[in-house]
Amino acid sequence: GQSLEQPSEVTAVEGAIVQINCTYQTSGFYGLSWYQQHDGGAPTFLSYNGLDGLEETGRFSSFLSRSDSYGYLLLQELQMKDSASYFCAVRSGGSYIPTFGRGTSLIVHP
Amino acid sequence: DSGVTQTPKHLITATGQRVTLRCSPRSGDLSVYWYQQSLDQGLQFLIQYYNGEERAKGNILERFSAQQFPDLHSELNLSSLELGDSALYFCASSVATNTEAFFGQGTRLTVV
Repeated sequence: GQSLEQPSEVTAVEGAIVQINCTYQTSGFYGLSWYQQHDGGAPTFLSYNGLDGLEETGRFSSFLSRSDSYGYLLLQELQMKDSASYFCAVRSGGSYIPTFGRGTSLIVHP
Repeated sequence: DSGVTQTPKHLITATGQRVTLRCSPRSGDLSVYWYQQSLDQGLQFLIQYYNGEERAKGNILERFSAQQFPDLHSELNLSSLELGDSALYFCASSVATNTEAFFGQGTRLTVV
């Protein structure tokens, strides 16, 4: 089967940098995605890594190491509006269905 | 706005009842996914359709069923509802089966 591990909660102050880690176990790994979800809202796609390395999109970056079955989401210059849940999701197997972790609640303090 | 439309936004119903949730994918997207999110839980994959055909099944109960119509909209049918079925139900769509999925705003189902 598939499993993903990410911290349940991370706290940081406004303006800081925070890293949310994700480790996974799966067969036929295809890629790792990150989604943001504000309370009760729709998950919003942030980034995708299919190959090893760093992908940068504005204040957000995502990293993947396929050999370590590990990835992370890096958020820089944190803002209050970044307080949300962040989910990593693996796409694997023949169906490419995104399988989600349980999510990390990010709390940004002033 | 992701372009994925779900109706209704909220639904309150009694145990034992049946409800239908509707999803219109983004224009041009052929693949539709349904997910269930219970309180403080991650997104549990239920089922996927691609161009009208069932493509993959996840942890979907036998009381639940879905279909995708020729115009590509999809419906998720939940029957014999139980209190534990109370959750957010999300629909997502993508152009193909191996491209990123974009989520609708969800339907919040409350079973009383």
